[in-house]
Amino acid sequence: QVQLQESGPGLVKPSETLSLTCTVSGGSISSYYWSWIRQPPGKGLEWIGYIYYSGSTNYNPSLKSRVTISVDTSKNQFSLKLSSVTAADTAVYYCARIIGWELGSSPIWFDPWGQGTLVTVSS
Amino acid sequence: EIVLTQSPGTLSLSPGERATLSCRASQSVSSSYLAWYQQKPGQAPRLLIYGASSRATGIPDRFSGSGSGTDFTLTISRLEPEDFAVYYCQQYGSSPTLTFGGGTKVEIK
Repeated sequence: QVQLQESGPGLVKPSETLSLTCTVSGGSISSYYWSWIRQPPGKGLEWIGYIYYSGSTNYNPSLKSRVTISVDTSKNQFSLKLSSVTAADTAVYYCARIIGWELGSSPIWFDPWGQGTLVTVSS
Repeated sequence: EIVLTQSPGTLSLSPGERATLSCRASQSVSSSYLAWYQQKPGQAPRLLIYGASSRATGIPDRFSGSGSGTDFTLTISRLEPEDFAVYYCQQYGSSPTLTFGGGTKVEIK
């Protein structure tokens, strides 16, 4: 079964760029959509954006100006970059696969999820 | 942008009782595009229901989803100790965007 694992620095300084990678195992990254979601401590979930294995992307409008998601099919990985971070970007960041009613159709629900990684923005 | 409002914020119930969680959308949502997740402390969310009423693989049949238009419901017929958690609804909308509700915490009374 497909498993996802986030990796990257747990501490980022304000104004710098947060960079995370999600490694997919147990299955191919091809033919699916892949996403990043975050959850500030004690708060709810916020969708950040997604990427299709071919490289097409879609971002949350509220974060669009600061977000880049990329994919490396040769490594079965996809990555998140969030620029100009502030304390408000402190959160647990999850990666997840998004699937829909048919392979390649609209990406609707998230399954499975990685375990998440806490990123703290602080000097 | 469609906003999902979940109620109540917290539901205090005893094991064996029935839980009814509400998810209300600010505009009509296709039932095909509505999902529910369970999140336990320190864990990632887990998909429970997709397409408003279809249970994900391995989800017990005490969990059921229903609804259409702007009103959706997650029902847990008889609460087991492991069901006490936070539950989120989520929708896929135009643009396209994906949004989550604020969550309902089901706690032990």
